Amino acid sequence: GAVVSQHPSRVICKSGTSVKIECRSLDFQATTMFWYRQFPKQSLMLMATSNEGSKATYEQGVEKDKFLINHASLTLSTLTVTSAHPEDSSFYICSAFRDTLSGYTFGSGTRLTVV
Amino acid sequence: AQSVTQLGSHVSVSEGALVLLRCNYSSSVPPYLFWYVQYPNQGLQLLLKYTTGATLVKGINGFEAEFKKSETSFHLTKPSAHMSDAAEYFCAVRTTGTASKLTFGTGTRLQVML
Repeated sequence: GAVVSQHPSRVICKSGTSVKIECRSLDFQATTMFWYRQFPKQSLMLMATSNEGSKATYEQGVEKDKFLINHASLTLSTLTVTSAHPEDSSFYICSAFRDTLSGYTFGSGTRLTVV
Repeated sequence: AQSVTQLGSHVSVSEGALVLLRCNYSSSVPPYLFWYVQYPNQGLQLLLKYTTGATLVKGINGFEAEFKKSETSFHLTKPSAHMSDAAEYFCAVRTTGTASKLTFGTGTRLQVML
């Protein structure tokens, strides 16, 4: 079955530093990947949609200069949180779209804590 | 625009009892509908999905859901709850076509009591 690996699962960083989160589709090519943010006990909020080889499309209210998304290959998308602040602490989840039949596969999430 | 409403942020059932988690959607075109389960500090796992065809969809772990167009609903059910079913459940909708974004409901936390 389709597997998406998200790394790291947990990261603690100092305020002002940058953190990179990777999302890999292990056994399929993902033309489209999605990045979500989830606050405690809340739903998933879509941050951006990335297509391989093109710029990501950000949702309204999401700072594209702060949350850099790169989708350089059909199996890898990265989210970089730049100049992180405590309010960026959250659970970030990626999702890869394979095809209409297979649908979406989610990564296991990354718990980011900014101190 | 598409949207999803999940009635009840918390549902509590006894082990062995019927599980019913409610989901209503809004979509201007025929929707694809999904139910996902999330365990603490984990990603989402697909329980089942409706695309086209049979309106009663069976998923993993004994769950099923019925697409009712007239009621714009896609409620999730399981005849007999198990302790391992305790988790967060999300209903999601997307419009038909190429890879378009999912819109999630606010989630329902299922608690299963002995």
